[in-house]
Amino acid sequence: EVQLVETGGGLVQPGKSLKLTCATSGFTFSNAWMHWVRQSPEKQLEWVAQIKAKSNNYATYYAESVKGRFTISRDDSKSSVYLQMNSLKEEDTAIYYCTYWELGLDYWGQGVMVTVSS
Amino acid sequence: DIVLTQAPLSVSVTPGESASISCRSSKSLLSSKGITSLYWYLQRPGKSPQLLIYQMSNLASGVPDRFSSSGSETDFTLKISKVETEDVGVYYCGHRLEYPLTFGSGTKLEIK
Repeated sequence: EVQLVETGGGLVQPGKSLKLTCATSGFTFSNAWMHWVRQSPEKQLEWVAQIKAKSNNYATYYAESVKGRFTISRDDSKSSVYLQMNSLKEEDTAIYYCTYWELGLDYWGQGVMVTVSS
Repeated sequence: DIVLTQAPLSVSVTPGESASISCRSSKSLLSSKGITSLYWYLQRPGKSPQLLIYQMSNLASGVPDRFSSSGSETDFTLKISKVETEDVGVYYCGHRLEYPLTFGSGTKLEIK
């Protein structure tokens, strides 16, 4: 059974940093293209970032709204993907989902809440 | 960025009847490989989104065949036949033609 479990969310002040972790199991993580997608309080889904596999040189892609502030990375030995979020803004407040692309965004974690507020 | 516009914002359906949701793209979603990069997701209340349809018309694993999708390069329709109470939630279209991936704003399906 495919499982994705996000941790690391919480309440943080604007300008601060937070690192999300997504621990996975049930599939060949080392071959997987992993994504982070967030959902605003208004329920709008927004794609955040993607990291490809080692065979694709771990290529990364970002939404313009987070480029330069967020970094996606992975540890294949731990079957985990990370999202380092720096210089957080109030508009980054959302539920963050870790997702795995197979035929589409097939598998999603339960999500982790990030609230940016002073 | 590709803009996906969904309609209606919400739909209320009697169990057993059909429902249709539209998604219009600001750009053709037909890739150079001949694949139409349009996906449908359902987010049930309190749950994470789940994949329903991939590449415009293919059912994801475990999705009942009451769901179907069709379209052209820019206009797409998700149809739910014989709606059941478990179909309640918000339906989103999305694409993966290019970066950034984007999603529609969602259509809420309710049961009368």
